Amino acid sequence: NAGVTQTPKFQVLKTGQSMTLQCAQDMNHEYMSWYRQDPGMGLRLIHYSVGAGITDQGEVPNGYNVSRSTTEDFPLRLLSAAPSQTSVYFCASRETGENSPLHFGNGTRLTVT
Amino acid sequence: AQSVAQPEDQVNVAEGNPLTVKCTYSVSGNPYLFWYVQYPNRGLQFLLKYITGDNLVKGSYGFEAEFNKSQTSFHLKKPSALVSDSALYFCAVRDYGAGSYQLTFGKGTKLSVIP
Repeated sequence: NAGVTQTPKFQVLKTGQSMTLQCAQDMNHEYMSWYRQDPGMGLRLIHYSVGAGITDQGEVPNGYNVSRSTTEDFPLRLLSAAPSQTSVYFCASRETGENSPLHFGNGTRLTVT
Repeated sequence: AQSVAQPEDQVNVAEGNPLTVKCTYSVSGNPYLFWYVQYPNRGLQFLLKYITGDNLVKGSYGFEAEFNKSQTSFHLKKPSALVSDSALYFCAVRDYGAGSYQLTFGKGTKLSVIP
């Protein structure tokens, strides 16, 4: 099993550009989520989904959109990139059940200039 | 609201010595508690969790953690540290009693094991 796969690994954007971070999982997990990791701030939840067609906002959703058309894929869209969105982004999934651990991808390092 | 604190940004320990990485939490209901480890340029990996039952939880790579309800703590421990244990460690909490789907992470503690 590949687990959680994120692409690209690295990306540089100019302010105002848009892009989509891809996330796919092959574990048939209903729950998927996006976090951003910033130095000294830990991981903060951006958006999450409890199943296909269902998404909800996390702690820091502004500037990001998500959709969940299939169980496997959960892309994160940056509509108009800003320097404050420079970060490392992690996608994670888990089985249904509140005590199931999260499985993380290896991250996308995004720089906005 | 749920929250978690890791009071130490960095912990240094000599190889072979016991290690402790501290975590305290705050929830309105009952907690699910997790520890994750992150190696450089990788995603987080699950180490162990506390859901209910025995206060001492054993996990991967020889790590264990002790749940202490009165002190609202969930410290990570290992009897004998290895250089390969050097990594970033995150504690996380979910307030299942409050119906929260979300996992709240601490800011992380960098563990350095000195040969």
